[in-house]
Amino acid sequence: EVRLVESGGGFVQPGGSLRVSCAASGFTFKSSSLTWVRQAPGKGLEFISYISPSGGTIYYADSVKGRFTISRDNAKNSLYLQMNSLRGEDTAVYFCAREPPPRYDWSDVHYSYYLDVWGKGTTVTVFS
Amino acid sequence: QSAPTQPASVSGSPGQSITISCSGTSSDVGRYDYVSWFQQEPGKAPKLILYDVTARPSGISNRFSGSKSGNRASLTIAGLQTDDEADYYCCAYAGSGTYVFGSGTKVTVL
Repeated sequence: EVRLVESGGGFVQPGGSLRVSCAASGFTFKSSSLTWVRQAPGKGLEFISYISPSGGTIYYADSVKGRFTISRDNAKNSLYLQMNSLRGEDTAVYFCAREPPPRYDWSDVHYSYYLDVWGKGTTVTVFS
Repeated sequence: QSAPTQPASVSGSPGQSITISCSGTSSDVGRYDYVSWFQQEPGKAPKLILYDVTARPSGISNRFSGSKSGNRASLTIAGLQTDDEADYYCCAYAGSGTYVFGSGTKVTVL
């Protein structure tokens, strides 16, 4: 079974730091791009970060750029999000989600641009 | 980059069809045919129900269908059932590894 399991959420004061993790199983982790998506209480989904299979390509939403760092350890099948300088508006459930791995067809490679597997999320609360 | 606009709520009676719109820009919804839709029940993770505008993952009912024209995508739920009550989000791939989610629509079955 393909699974993603987040952990590491908790309570933190404004200006503080927290690292959340996402443990993967049931698929070839090193072949998939991964993302972090968050959802503030009562609000919609917000894409916040992307990392390529090798970790060589990374993107951030403007709302977290310069404060959050995404990383991965392919040997441990794990994805991370280091969150610094936390603000009240960072309070949310943080989900990790994967893009399906590329498919190979003769000489072509087909990439997928959707998020097919999600974890259940971990809650981060920033309070003063 | 603002979120594509969805109606805040849509309702229908069991057996009816409803359509949820997702209005974006040429930088998101209109950029590629990589629009997906998610169903989210309270307290749960989003569940993929459509991808690449019209494709359904394995196990998803053919009552769910999608379309796109220009900067606007749509999700249609045919034969509405009580367990279709949930929040629905469109999601557009915006290039360079980034995604933009719609504002979300609450579906109520009357």
